[in-house]
Amino acid sequence: EAGVAQSPRYKIIEKRQSVAFWCNPISGHATLYWYQQILGQGPKLLIQFQNNGVVDDSQLPKDRFSAERLKGVDSTLKIQPAKLEDSAVYLCASSSIKQGPGYTFGSGTRLTVV
Amino acid sequence: AQSVTQLDSQVPVFEEAPVELRCNYSSSVSVYLFWYVQYPNQGLQLLLKYLSGSTLVESINGFEAEFNKSQTSFHLRKPSVHISDTAEYFCAVSGGYNKLIFGAGTRLAVHP
Repeated sequence: EAGVAQSPRYKIIEKRQSVAFWCNPISGHATLYWYQQILGQGPKLLIQFQNNGVVDDSQLPKDRFSAERLKGVDSTLKIQPAKLEDSAVYLCASSSIKQGPGYTFGSGTRLTVV
Repeated sequence: AQSVTQLDSQVPVFEEAPVELRCNYSSSVSVYLFWYVQYPNQGLQLLLKYLSGSTLVESINGFEAEFNKSQTSFHLRKPSVHISDTAEYFCAVSGGYNKLIFGAGTRLAVHP
């Protein structure tokens, strides 16, 4: 089966600009996650979707970050405006009940804010 | 609330030597435990997981981890490492809603 697809792989923007990342989960996976991985740290959950509904967005900085999964398939994460501290790898993952506990991760998008 | 502590940020080791990467967790509920590996510029790949049953779990490439409930630990071991094992290793715990909480990671550097 195809894995979790993410694009772009790399992005460099100036602070105060906006940026969007795209994720297409494994086909049939109802749950989709966005994680932020700052250099030298473990991944931190930003938002979890179940189909097109939000399960957990308690760690999402809602003043500048937004995410949607309108049709319950692919998802977009947006940052507007970006800050220097947003420089990180943004990882998308998906899971299904059939798969059991645990996720499949995409390769991530490396964002550099200058 | 759940949390994961990886006790070593970096572990240098020579090729063919044994290695142990330490992981402790805290949780007030039953948990599932995972080890993920991340190679440079790649996403995280599942190495092994403990869900229930035997407390010793193994991966296909020679790693093993033992769930110790009394010590709340899930240490990762390999009896003989290869250069290709050089990577970052993340321990994770999952409680409700299949939400993974990750440790800060341990960078394993295998030297010839």
